[in-house]
Amino acid sequence: QKEVEQNSGPLSVPEGAIASLNCTYSDRGSQSFFWYRQYSGKSPELIMFIYSNGDKEDGRFTAQLNKASQYVSLLIRDSQPSDSATYLCAVGPGGYNKLIFGAGTRLAVHP
Amino acid sequence: SQTIHQWPATLVQPVGSPLSLECTVEGTSNPNLYWYRQAAGRGLQLLFYSVGIGQISSEVPQNLSASRPQDRQFILSSKKLLLSDSGFYLCAWSRDRGGPNYGYTFGSGTRLTVV
Repeated sequence: QKEVEQNSGPLSVPEGAIASLNCTYSDRGSQSFFWYRQYSGKSPELIMFIYSNGDKEDGRFTAQLNKASQYVSLLIRDSQPSDSATYLCAVGPGGYNKLIFGAGTRLAVHP
Repeated sequence: SQTIHQWPATLVQPVGSPLSLECTVEGTSNPNLYWYRQAAGRGLQLLFYSVGIGQISSEVPQNLSASRPQDRQFILSSKKLLLSDSGFYLCAWSRDRGGPNYGYTFGSGTRLTVV
């Protein structure tokens, strides 16, 4: 059974701080890794994807991947109240196929 | 650019009534299509996926069915709804095999309440 694990939270951080969201996965053959943001009552939206070990930065977001440890994380710098949402980690093979989603971590950024 | 349309946004249906949710994708051909359900406060549960017209794979046994009558149209149906069918239904698409995996793009979702 392929699994993706996330801490459900809530993760509470003050405005302006760095939020660190973590995800582990069980399938060593996984090749593609995604972070989705889901606001309450809305559908998930893709914010980052990463394929290779190391860091990938996009604005205030940094995705980090360590395939040896089967670990992927998302850092949000200068957190804003508008970042308050549930963040879903998703893992998949290299080409097309079904993604496996974690249950999500709820992030709360307080002023 | 590619867009995905899903309707209706909200639906309240009595137990035992039929269901039909529709999803269409524009701006791409031969997409992979998916139906997910998200119960309140829970993760995403994959219900069905399709790699082509008439090709449907079911992930969980239940009273739901899916059809893909056209390349960019995906329909979720039920003949008789159960209370447990309540949830947030999401349609998603991804590129077909042969290229990098860019993940899914989700529709706006349908919130179904069975009463």
